[in-house]
Amino acid sequence: ETGVTQSPTHLIKTRGQQVTLRCSSQSGHNTVSWYQQALGQGPQFIFQYYREEENGRGNFPPRFSGLQFPNYSSELNVNALELDDSALYLCASSPDRGLGGYTFGSGTRLTVV
Amino acid sequence: DQQVKQNSPSLSVQEGRISILNCDYTNSMFDYFLWYKKYPAEGPTFLISISSIKDKNEDGRFTVFLNKSAKHLSLHIVPSQPGDSAVYFCAASAQGGSEKLVFGKGMKLTVNP
Repeated sequence: ETGVTQSPTHLIKTRGQQVTLRCSSQSGHNTVSWYQQALGQGPQFIFQYYREEENGRGNFPPRFSGLQFPNYSSELNVNALELDDSALYLCASSPDRGLGGYTFGSGTRLTVV
Repeated sequence: DQQVKQNSPSLSVQEGRISILNCDYTNSMFDYFLWYKKYPAEGPTFLISISSIKDKNEDGRFTVFLNKSAKHLSLHIVPSQPGDSAVYFCAASAQGGSEKLVFGKGMKLTVNP
């Protein structure tokens, strides 16, 4: 399987709710990173998973959490949604912790109302 | 504190001319730099990268120049084509690219026919 696919493409949630975003990485890619891109900004690093273990975290609160599974899929979970969480969430996979480059998915557009 | 800066939000050039996109960084630990292109409703697509041991890397119409002393890099596109119209992100990483990507805010390039 080639490419990185993310689901859903768009999502609307209410403040205080919880959301799970999904990503299917390229086969053989043992590293997945998640980024948040707010409007008019560049992507900001949330965290990275390498072989199912968290391998680095950006400046995001603990209500942002993730999981990586052996089948090259991963999840981003956000609890207690806030209005400022409205953004494009991007998943990127790499064959080896960034060495060899990252392939990005098209993202999930999350709107919190 | 923005570690990667793209100070010009937009650039408009005529088809066939050169496009020059600039990027500045502040973190001396960065040793790997990348340019991504992003179309609306798509994820960022890798364009070209450069390691800090080089000062130039070329791939077809795209050339990236790195000036380590000035902490500055630039992307040259020659000749520019209307299909190059997109948002371009500069990104930087440490540890040879195995660390998280730190992105600039992006610059919208418009190439007019």
